[in-house]
Amino acid sequence: NAGVTQTPKFQVLKTGQSMTLQCAQDMNHNSMYWYRQDPGMGLRLIYYSASEGTTDKGEVPNGYNVSRLNKREFSLRLESAAPSQTSVYFCASSEREGFSSYNSPLHFGNGTRLTVT
Amino acid sequence: QQQVKQSPQSLIVQKGGISIINCAYENTAFDYFPWYQQFPGKGPALLIAIRPDVSEKKEGRFTISFNKSAKQFSLHIMDSQPGDSATYFCAAISNFGNEKLTFGTGTRLTIIP
Repeated sequence: NAGVTQTPKFQVLKTGQSMTLQCAQDMNHNSMYWYRQDPGMGLRLIYYSASEGTTDKGEVPNGYNVSRLNKREFSLRLESAAPSQTSVYFCASSEREGFSSYNSPLHFGNGTRLTVT
Repeated sequence: QQQVKQSPQSLIVQKGGISIINCAYENTAFDYFPWYQQFPGKGPALLIAIRPDVSEKKEGRFTISFNKSAKQFSLHIMDSQPGDSATYFCAAISNFGNEKLTFGTGTRLTIIP
């Protein structure tokens, strides 16, 4: 049981390049999320998908787009990378629609470390 | 606006000691307070969580203490072990409406032998 799988694990981009971060979960979860983690700032929500077919902005959506391809997969796209997007990106999923409750915790992948030069 | 304030940013504790991490929140609508544990190179994972109708929840060596009137909650790790060295995040959410899980800024805990 793999849980939440993110690819790639590491990526270096030049300013202005584009890329897509991939995420897949095998737990039949309804909701999926993209967070970024930066030192001293905790985990900040970029976008989320409360259920298949829906996506919504989180706290820091600027410069990103997402696609909920199907129930398993949720991708994050950087159209024109900027140095400010250097971060560790985490995908997560939870069983119920909407956000985690005491019966539906977030399950995180192991992250993608992105450097934009 | 930081809705959940976490302290300290880093903490070093001797093996066998008690590690204490504190969080304070502003939104009185929050009604679920989880703690996530993150090891280096891994994603966070749920460690323990509490609802505001109880003042304390204990799971093994990990205890959450909750003070509703002060809008504060804390994680206590008893008999801290080197394997507890990790980054800990507190979080909070309201289950009413479409609220989002809000994380604290994290505490890097190091347990020294």
